[in-house]
Amino acid sequence: NAGVTQTPKFQVLKTGQSMTLQCAQDMNHNSMYWYRQDPGMGLRLIYYSASEGTTDKGEVPNGYNVSRLNKREFSLRLESAAPSQTSVYFCASSDGPNTEAFFGQGTRLTVV
Amino acid sequence: AQSVTQPDIHITVSEGASLELRCNYSYGATPYLFWYVQSPGQGLQLLLKYFSGDTLVQGIKGFEAEFKRSQSSFNLRKPSVHWSDAAEYFCAVDDPGTYKYIFGTGTRLKVLA
Repeated sequence: NAGVTQTPKFQVLKTGQSMTLQCAQDMNHNSMYWYRQDPGMGLRLIYYSASEGTTDKGEVPNGYNVSRLNKREFSLRLESAAPSQTSVYFCASSDGPNTEAFFGQGTRLTVV
Repeated sequence: AQSVTQPDIHITVSEGASLELRCNYSYGATPYLFWYVQSPGQGLQLLLKYFSGDTLVQGIKGFEAEFKRSQSSFNLRKPSVHWSDAAEYFCAVDDPGTYKYIFGTGTRLKVLA
């Protein structure tokens, strides 16, 4: 059971570089999410996709863009990385409201 | 807006001792509540969930949680902690109609041998 798969697991970027974090789920879930985790701040929602074809901003969307490529895949793009985006990024999926979310293993991103 | 508060940032217990992790939420109606566990370097794993019905819910790894509407709380408990329970624990609430999950800031559990 793969569940939610994120790539890459680790990444180091220089300030100003761009990159895309990939996420895929094989549970046929409708909704997908991107969170960032920073010490003492819990998980903060960056963007989410309630269903294929829709995306919405979460709590901390600035500096990020997302694409819901199809039902399985939801990517997060950093157009011009900044040190403040150093964090651990988690992708999650769920079958929609009132169900639990399933998480990937995370991507540890460092921007120098 | 809904919010989740975990008042304890760090908790240390001895192996074999009982454990209670606190979680308070802010929401008018009965929310959908979750506890997740995160081991170092890993993603989040669901321990248990409360949607409705019996206010005492059982989860995996011997954990349970009790929903108390009067106190707006959903505390996580375990009668006897094992060294492998050392991890970070997150309480979360489903924000109905918004497709969002709101997480607390987490409680890091340390277990002394």
